Amino acid sequence: EADIYQTPRYLVIGTGKKITLECSQTMGHDKMYWYQQDPGMELHLIHYSYGVNSTEKGDLSSESTVSRIRTEHFPLTLESARPSHTSQYLCASIGGEQYFGPGTRLTVT
Amino acid sequence: GESVGLHLPTLSVQEGDNSIINCAYSNSASDYFIWYKQESGKGPQFIIDIRSNMDKRQGQRVTVLLNKTVKHLSLQIAATQPGDSAVYFCAENIGWGTDKLIFGTGTRLQVFP
Repeated sequence: EADIYQTPRYLVIGTGKKITLECSQTMGHDKMYWYQQDPGMELHLIHYSYGVNSTEKGDLSSESTVSRIRTEHFPLTLESARPSHTSQYLCASIGGEQYFGPGTRLTVT
Repeated sequence: GESVGLHLPTLSVQEGDNSIINCAYSNSASDYFIWYKQESGKGPQFIIDIRSNMDKRQGQRVTVLLNKTVKHLSLQIAATQPGDSAVYFCAENIGWGTDKLIFGTGTRLQVFP
């Protein structure tokens, strides 16, 4: 099993709050990714990074932002959460194959 | 908790039978394809991959077939077991060194005893 971690696993938060979803990997992978997945739907790439200080937007427009200050850490931030942000957020890294974290299930009320 | 795959196509098979899950991909320039298994409440798990210069690859109980002419990918699971029950996604790497994956619509596999 891959060493990629996400916290929190579940989060219920009110509209307007700022939240940060954490993602860490201990494999030393340069490439990391954030995907958004609605229930019963496919995964959509929202952010990716090819290394420290490298971040790019993915194919699905997202109001979230990311940072990559350290190789092992790739947090995702929502400055002002809205109900439309309710979804599952999956972090992944690549070293050969792509490894996924367990995901954060976010609910914005 | 809420399950992944509530609105997905579903394939129901008897335990011990073979399963075939199909996927159509979108980009003729894609050079690498992956099948993932996602169980409820978990992230996708790598099953098997195939490069565009191959048309078949076998793993343990799984085989992936690639037909580039019609942009079609299939996953065959031999002797399906209850533990195979999950949602299965195919993904294509659009190439050019990006390692960006585009995921297809998943298929929910239900295995009955």
